[in-house]
Amino acid sequence: NAGVTQTPKFRVLKTGQSMTLLCAQDMNHEYMYWYRQDPGMGLRLIHYSVGEGTTAKGEVPDGYNVSRLKKQNFLLGLESAAPSQTSVYFCASRRTGTDTQYFGPGTRLTVL
Amino acid sequence: GESVGLHLPTLSVQEGDNSIINCAYSNSASDYFIWYKQESGKGPQFIIDIRSNMDKRQGQRVTVLLNKTVKHLSLQIAATQPGDSAVYFCAENMGTGGGNKLTFGTGTQLKVEL
Repeated sequence: NAGVTQTPKFRVLKTGQSMTLLCAQDMNHEYMYWYRQDPGMGLRLIHYSVGEGTTAKGEVPDGYNVSRLKKQNFLLGLESAAPSQTSVYFCASRRTGTDTQYFGPGTRLTVL
Repeated sequence: GESVGLHLPTLSVQEGDNSIINCAYSNSASDYFIWYKQESGKGPQFIIDIRSNMDKRQGQRVTVLLNKTVKHLSLQIAATQPGDSAVYFCAENMGTGGGNKLTFGTGTQLKVEL
């Protein structure tokens, strides 16, 4: 049982490039979340999903898109990366009927 | 919007002492609170949680206290160990619909001195 995993662990992009971050969970959780973490700030919610095939915007969704085609995977896409998107990205998941979110190890993204 | 905040950005304690990390919240509608520990280069790790119908909950070496009157949450770590060195976050859930979203504080750095 690996819990929540994220790939890649590190990535450097140039402004305007695109990429996709993958989050996978093997706990059969219905809910999945994408956050970004910046120095001096708390985790901020980008997008989330309440189940396969559904997504919703969080606090800071601009510049990001997501997809949840399979229950175990939640993808975060950057279509045209900007330096302001330099951050550490965390994925989390939660089982229906509970409140605790379980986090992955994070992806450190640098946009030059 | 309402937010969750922490009183102290850094807390230094001697090994073996008890640690107390504080958190203020401003949303009286929040019904669930949670503490996470984040070690350098890792993701947040669940420590303990508490619902608004409780004022105290204990785990292994950790205790969370909730004072709804003053909207204050604290995490107590007994006999602090070097492995407790990390950033600690509190978070709240308002309990409304839409994915059970958590609002996070900025974190407190706990440093354990030998």
